[in-house]
Amino acid sequence: QSALTQPRSMSGSPGQSVTIPCTGTSSDVGGFDYVSWYQQHPGKAPKLILYDVTKRPSGVPGRFSGSKSGNTASLTISGLQAEDEADFYCQSYAGNYLWVFGGGTKLTVL
Amino acid sequence: QLQLQESGPGLVKPSETLSLTCTVSGGSISGNVHYWVWIRQSPGQGLEWIGSLYHTRSTFYNPSLESRVTMSADTSTNQFSLTLDSVTAADTAVYYCARHVNGNYYVNSWGQGTLVTVSS
Repeated sequence: QSALTQPRSMSGSPGQSVTIPCTGTSSDVGGFDYVSWYQQHPGKAPKLILYDVTKRPSGVPGRFSGSKSGNTASLTISGLQAEDEADFYCQSYAGNYLWVFGGGTKLTVL
Repeated sequence: QLQLQESGPGLVKPSETLSLTCTVSGGSISGNVHYWVWIRQSPGQGLEWIGSLYHTRSTFYNPSLESRVTMSADTSTNQFSLTLDSVTAADTAVYYCARHVNGNYYVNSWGQGTLVTVSS
C-alpha cells in the first residue's frame, strides 16, 4: 500500500485556476469513487473540502471541484484567493477497510 | 457538537511503547454508526492512516504498521486508544484521532492533534 502521488508544490496567482493531481493505482483511486481532499493550514488539523470525488461538504465554496480519470483524481480551485494558500492532501479508499493518503501539495498564492 | 481530544506523553524513548488516548465528547463511541480513526503526520510530511476501530472491537490497520499497532476502546470513559510498540525516530509525528461515518470513506471530524517525539 503506497502513498498516492501528488506534486510537492504548486502555485498560482489570485483569480487563476489551479489543478492538483493525485495519482494512485487501480487498487485505490482507480478502483473506487471514494477519493477525498483535505485542506490544511499551518498548525491546524486538516479540513475536508471534497469527498466521493466530486461532492462538497456544506460550507465549502463552489470554487473547489473534483474529478477523476482512471487512476488519477484531481482537485481544481477556480478563482484562486489568498486564503487558499495551504497544503492539500488527497485520500482514497483502498479496499478491505484500508485507506491511503497522498504526500500532500503545498499551494502558494503568488 | 462532537469533539475529539488526544492526550498522552509528548516524549517517548526509542524502543519503548507510544500510548495515546482520544476522549470523545458530544457523541458515543459505542454502536455501529461510526469508525474511530488514528492518523499521523511526521514533521514536514504528509498524512498517514494508522488504523480504524469499529463497533469498539473490530480493527483495521495500515499494513506497514500492523505488526506494532493496537487500537482499543473503553465505552465506560468514551475513549479510544492507540499503542505503537518499538518506536523509533521515524514515529515522531503529530497524531490525530478522528471519526468517519460507517459507509463513508472520509474523515469529517478531527481532533486538534498531539505531537509525539521519539528521542532518548
